[in-house]
Amino acid sequence: GDSVTQMEGPVTLSEEAFLTINCTYTATGYPSLFWYVQYPGEGLQLLLKATKADDKGSNKGFEATYRKETTSFHLEKGSVQVSDSAVYFCALKTPGGYQKVTFGTGTKLQVIP
Amino acid sequence: EADIYQTPRYLVIGTGKKITLECSQTMGHDKMYWYQQDPGMELHLIHYSYGVNSTEKGDLSSESTVSRIRTEHFPLTLESARPSHTSQYLCASSEYAGDATDTQYFGPGTRLTVL
Repeated sequence: GDSVTQMEGPVTLSEEAFLTINCTYTATGYPSLFWYVQYPGEGLQLLLKATKADDKGSNKGFEATYRKETTSFHLEKGSVQVSDSAVYFCALKTPGGYQKVTFGTGTKLQVIP
Repeated sequence: EADIYQTPRYLVIGTGKKITLECSQTMGHDKMYWYQQDPGMELHLIHYSYGVNSTEKGDLSSESTVSRIRTEHFPLTLESARPSHTSQYLCASSEYAGDATDTQYFGPGTRLTVL
């Protein structure tokens, strides 16, 4: 079945550091890939997505590239801020069916001043 | 901004009580979902709905039940709450787009504590 594996947290970085959160996936067919972010005390919200190979999703300085050859969708940001502290979820959805979304286990990011 | 609401945001209740967690969305989405989020942050799909009068169980077995009488409303009910039901419950909705590209919109969640 479909699965998403993302790096375990927590990840602690100093402000302005470079961020990478690794995500790899296993899926049948051609999935769409997503990054969701959950700020403390809130629900998840879509951060970015990519729907086909080599697509790059970007938003708020974050970006991720859909790499079919390595089945990866790593999240990157060049300079993190304290306000980026949150839990980040990688997810995929395959076409058809009831469009179930498969989520990774989440990676907690803490950015310190 | 997504327009999906959950009430209550926090609930502390005693064992054996019946509770209903409310979820409403104003986007006219056909699909709605309930997730249970454990303390380790992992999400588990417990119920979903394709539309009015459609409900299905998700991947994680749950003692809760759901109903979908109106498009915008997808309440979750626990007939007899137990401490093992203590968790964060997230409601989500999405618009059917015919492929894999549509986005799920999440409510803020209900944090349930059963004593």
